[in-house]
Amino acid sequence: DAGITQSPRHKVTETGTPVTLRCHQTENHRYMYWYRQDPGHGLRLIHYSYGVKDTDKGEVSDGYSVSRSKTEDFLLTLESATSSQTSVYFCAISEQGAWTEAFFGQGTRLTVV
Amino acid sequence: AQRVTQPEKLLSVFKGAPVELKCNYSYSGSPELFWYVQYSRQRLQLLLRHISRESIKGFTADLNKGETSFHLKKPFAQEEDSAMYYCALSGGDTGNQFYFGTGTSLTVIP
Repeated sequence: DAGITQSPRHKVTETGTPVTLRCHQTENHRYMYWYRQDPGHGLRLIHYSYGVKDTDKGEVSDGYSVSRSKTEDFLLTLESATSSQTSVYFCAISEQGAWTEAFFGQGTRLTVV
Repeated sequence: AQRVTQPEKLLSVFKGAPVELKCNYSYSGSPELFWYVQYSRQRLQLLLRHISRESIKGFTADLNKGETSFHLKKPFAQEEDSAMYYCALSGGDTGNQFYFGTGTSLTVIP
């Protein structure tokens, strides 16, 4: 498996609280992505990063923010969690962007109650 | 806009039968297309991509630009093929994003 880990793996949080998910890689890949996986919707891109401090929005970015202060870490923050953000979150990395293979983390199951 | 459509949410086939998972795309340029697979309790992983023209685990996929399709096929399904399959697209103007379909859950019946 590519060196990519997500933490935490499971989290239950209350509506209105901030939550931060972490993605850590040891592959030195330039690109990092955050997706959410929901039944009937597949994988949808939240945000991605193409370098340190370089990020861009995906199709479902509302209510989420990201930060990448160093190559190996990409943080996803739910500013004020809502029940609609209950989902499985996947981080992915890619050496040369969307032209090359993406390697995925194990996923984080987030429940907002 | 880039879109990937997988019309079947669920697909069941008997062991040894042929299997085809459909993927259609909408893209104005020359796309790069992928199939990713997620086995139970495992990470999502690349199965194959059209540019490499490889056959992985007996699966093949041909890009048909006329029909804008990239269907995944295997002549004889095995029980270990049961998994969730995602078709994905990227291209020159996708801003380094992958666009995934909604996925097809394949069950191979013994």
